[in-house]
Amino acid sequence: EIVLTQSPGTLSLSPGERATLSCRASQTVTSRYLAWYQQRRGQSPRLLIYGASTRATGIPDRFSGSGSGTDFTLTISRLEPEDFAVYYCQQYSTTPRTFGQGTKVEIK
Amino acid sequence: QELLVESGGGVVQPGTSLRLSCVASGFTFRTFPMHWVRQAPGKGLAWVSAVSPDGSDKYYSDSVKGRFTISRDNSKNTLYLQMNSLNADDTAVYYCARQSGAFDIWGQGTMVTVSS
Repeated sequence: EIVLTQSPGTLSLSPGERATLSCRASQTVTSRYLAWYQQRRGQSPRLLIYGASTRATGIPDRFSGSGSGTDFTLTISRLEPEDFAVYYCQQYSTTPRTFGQGTKVEIK
Repeated sequence: QELLVESGGGVVQPGTSLRLSCVASGFTFRTFPMHWVRQAPGKGLAWVSAVSPDGSDKYYSDSVKGRFTISRDNSKNTLYLQMNSLNADDTAVYYCARQSGAFDIWGQGTMVTVSS
């Protein structure tokens, strides 16, 4: 099983600031099968990024993903009020399809 | 509009059973692998189970293996999760999700509470 570790646990930032979220895998994620999801309070998760760096349909370009192997990053270039939420990474190269424990981006 | 709608959650006693359903609409259900993911109160996402498009291949997390059974009825565009021998650790919101590479469509979730 691939274990995903996200850091930091909580990120306290102001609107307009840049957010950098990290996801580290316990072993190589094949073919960059790494996704990022956003979950706002009381809502279902929403796919943001797949293939480590491809934005899903309708996702604004302030969201970007990068990385390969075992180290991946989600960057939000300028935080909008609706971006304050919890973010999860997930690997889908092997079963079980594991998730990271999440990073909460909160308003400072 | 591509949509997944779960149902079947509720409050049950430990040791009992429950069956969740997930109805798909707006896309060709029979061509996609499908998954169940759960989220305990205040916790993160945890993958539960998956089924291949034709229903022949099924996968489970260690925490539910032997107790939960995933299935699908492609004629009804419906995904199921039969949950037996429920315990307090199974208390969670259960989401169904479509696999198109990553999980690109999620339902709104259905809450399962296991309590005496």
